[in-house]
Amino acid sequence: AQTVTQSQPEMSVQEAETVTLSCTYDTSENNYYLFWYKQPPSRQMILVIRQEAYKQQNATENRFSVNFQKAAKSFSLKISDSQLGDTAMYFCASGGATNKLIFGTGTLLAVQP
Amino acid sequence: KAGVTQTPRYLIKTRGQQVTLSCSPISGHRSVSWYQQTPGQGLQFLFEYFSETQRNKGNFPGRFSGRQFSNSRSEMNVSTLELGDSALYLCASSLAAGGGTDTQYFGPGTRLTVL
Repeated sequence: AQTVTQSQPEMSVQEAETVTLSCTYDTSENNYYLFWYKQPPSRQMILVIRQEAYKQQNATENRFSVNFQKAAKSFSLKISDSQLGDTAMYFCASGGATNKLIFGTGTLLAVQP
Repeated sequence: KAGVTQTPRYLIKTRGQQVTLSCSPISGHRSVSWYQQTPGQGLQFLFEYFSETQRNKGNFPGRFSGRQFSNSRSEMNVSTLELGDSALYLCASSLAAGGGTDTQYFGPGTRLTVL
């Protein structure tokens, strides 16, 4: 069975600062993928970043980067230079051979001006 | 390119009724997945369709069903509605059959309220 755990229900960061959101996972799949999705107040889910588990190099997308620790089953998201538009619920998710995604419970991030 | 569209956006039903939600994927996408989002249970996978075939099913009762048409549009149906079915229903489309190399794009969701 696959599980995804996000232990931080809410976080707050000042504009322009850096924040890290935590995620741990467990999966029985050999080839799996990890994702961070953002859900702003509009409720539209947006893919932020994706990591293939077989790749050792951490994924980066502009101000967003991950710290993928495979042995520890940890997948944290770092947001640099936080902007007001980053205010949203962030979900960590895992997937495998199919398009089925297992989501964590989410972290509500508030960026303060 | 148009994104994933879902209709209707909002829906109010009463217990015992049935409802049909529609999802039109991005043009060229052949996979459609459905998720239920509630404050209590979070985001839960309902089912996935690829080329008109259900490939995967989550742990939901048989009242929840779906189908996919030859143009990749998908519908999900919930029969005998219960109060607990009140949720945001999201669909996501992707090009291919699976694996994280293929990005899933989500629609804006259908907010279902059961009274």
